[in-house]
Amino acid sequence: DTAVSQTPKYLVTQMGNDKSIKCEQNLGHDTMYWYKQDSKKFLKIMFSYNNKELIINETVPNRFSPKSPDKAHLNLHINSLELGDSAVYFCASSPSSGMLNTEAFFGQGTRLTVV
Amino acid sequence: QKEVEQDPGPLSVPEGAIVSLNCTYSNSAFQYFMWYRQYSRKGPELLMYTYSSGNKEDGRFTAQVDKSSKYISLFIRDSQPSDSATYLCAMRLGQAGTALIFGKGTTLSVSS
Repeated sequence: DTAVSQTPKYLVTQMGNDKSIKCEQNLGHDTMYWYKQDSKKFLKIMFSYNNKELIINETVPNRFSPKSPDKAHLNLHINSLELGDSAVYFCASSPSSGMLNTEAFFGQGTRLTVV
Repeated sequence: QKEVEQDPGPLSVPEGAIVSLNCTYSNSAFQYFMWYRQYSRKGPELLMYTYSSGNKEDGRFTAQVDKSSKYISLFIRDSQPSDSATYLCAMRLGQAGTALIFGKGTTLSVSS
């Protein structure tokens, strides 16, 4: 059973298009995240949701809009894609309380290439 | 100055060597410190975590945190080719649900 699953795994699209990446976790966690990993492998937080509520919104262009229909899902929609959006996007989840609240489980990543 | 500094390497060692990976940080409010391992084209997976200062050992891996120096380390004993990966240090504040702040990762290659 995959704990945190993202779709699609690979996404190649043209500049200006709108695309979505979906994420689902079956761990029963309350908190979900989107991270962006650039070509130099630097992993940076974009958004965090706790029980469907946005709690972290880093300095990200407003072309990026997360949506959490329920606490097991966190999707990322990107409008008007630009070349600089090419990166690997990771979804992650963690419990929001208890001793294990440090452990974030990551999905396999979505490799987005904008051409 | 970035919040978390990590030498990206690459670091190449022969099988059996002891590997030392390090990160420094600037925010003294960080309370949880982690090491993640990321294989090529995979998501990061948690390797070790420590709360506040001290050491923690798990098999061939030892994590150390020195909050007074704002310095964390990961030691790998008897390194194996399967340890070849990128190692990312990460840390966060104490509040539940806060995001991890990552270092840039160190790429390690262990040759047989």
